[in-house]
Amino acid sequence: KNEVEQSPQNLTAQEGEFITINCSYSVGISALHWLQQHPGGGIVSLFMLSSGKKKHGRLIATINIQEKHSSLHITASHPRDSAVYICAVSIQGAQKLVFGQGTRLTINP
Amino acid sequence: EPEVTQTPSHQVTQMGQEVILRCVPISNHLYFYWYRQILGQKVEFLVSFYNNEISEKSEIFDDQFSVERPDGSNFTLKIRSTKLEDSAMYFCASRVTSGGYEQYFGPGTRLTVT
Repeated sequence: KNEVEQSPQNLTAQEGEFITINCSYSVGISALHWLQQHPGGGIVSLFMLSSGKKKHGRLIATINIQEKHSSLHITASHPRDSAVYICAVSIQGAQKLVFGQGTRLTINP
Repeated sequence: EPEVTQTPSHQVTQMGQEVILRCVPISNHLYFYWYRQILGQKVEFLVSFYNNEISEKSEIFDDQFSVERPDGSNFTLKIRSTKLEDSAMYFCASRVTSGGYEQYFGPGTRLTVT
């Protein structure tokens, strides 16, 4: 069983729609990360969370430590939001990040 | 804004050859990482490096792999004898300190083994 599971794997939506991507994990963590990967391959960090909620522009990330679940929301989605969104966790007591398989988001104009 | 850089962006090599992938982490960062992503798969941890030694490594990081910080700025990943299955995107990352702190990723090196 994967330590980090994301859903959905693929998501296609129309411009302007509200988007939610979910992440569940099964291990003890010190933080959870949301990352964005564009078609060229580069990875950009969007959020790092250990509790509660963070907002940056149209992006909102929440985490529920008790339920071991996090969500990434995009409001007023735009075609430029099209990318792969990856959930990753910092394992407690370890150095590494463990990654989910990613969610491929496509926003159509 | 400081960023992690990686060279080359794309490396093509023949099976059995040695390759060295280079990274320049952000200057005040202390922890350094290599990850890889085989095409169509998720990103996987290879190794972490702190205080001039490996602090953690995955089962993927076998004797064919080594890392080095030769001059205080570069951080390298060497694959001694490449296999077809080493073809992947390799990402370097760095962060300031330990714990659940943000890691900054380089743009990646695409390694193709023929």
